[in-house]
Amino acid sequence: DIQMTQSPSSLSASIGDRVTIACRASQSISKFLVWYQVKPGKAPKLLIYAASTLQSGAPSRFGGSGSGTDFTLTISSLQPEDLATYYCQQSYNFPWTFGQGTEVEIK
Amino acid sequence: QVQLQESGPGLVKPSETLALTCNVSGDSISDYYWNWIRQPPGKGLEWIGDIYYSGATNYNPSLKRRVTISIDTSKNQVSLKVISMTAADTAVYYCARRSYAYLRGLGYYAMDVWGPGTTVTVSS
Repeated sequence: DIQMTQSPSSLSASIGDRVTIACRASQSISKFLVWYQVKPGKAPKLLIYAASTLQSGAPSRFGGSGSGTDFTLTISSLQPEDLATYYCQQSYNFPWTFGQGTEVEIK
Repeated sequence: QVQLQESGPGLVKPSETLALTCNVSGDSISDYYWNWIRQPPGKGLEWIGDIYYSGATNYNPSLKRRVTISIDTSKNQVSLKVISMTAADTAVYYCARRSYAYLRGLGYYAMDVWGPGTTVTVSS
């Protein structure tokens, strides 16, 4: 199985800050990388697919980059509603695997 | 727009079988893969498996021996069965639709619509 490692596991930032979350794959996955936002009690939300393509309806302050083994999710200006846990997931091969998650807190 | 809703027993005894249903509304169940994913308390997401409307399936090898995913296109429902439940199977169980996008000459998959999840606790 492809192992996905996210860093940091949690972060605290102020409203308006630029936030960056890293995701590393244990082998090259080209651009087969997806980012999700998960809030307690709510349906997870697809943010980014194909490493850098913004899902329709996702706020434009979310951006993705990277290819191969190293990827980044960036929130350009953190908003209160961005309080959540963010997961990367590889869609390169089965079984699909997720990172352990990055919890974003608001200072 | 398409909506997913998971349902099933909130409490299951050890060694028993879990049966969950995902109701799909607002769109046809055809032409998509339908996934099950779970999240144990305090842990990350784990992909369980998926099924195409034709009945073709993919399973996570770590769970394949205990899991069956099925589909009923007449009812727009996807089902999950897990046998021999233990405390380690305590989790929020989600269903999700897999969508496809063709970009730069390649096809990319992602789970674009999710249900809110249903909590399953394994306890005697």
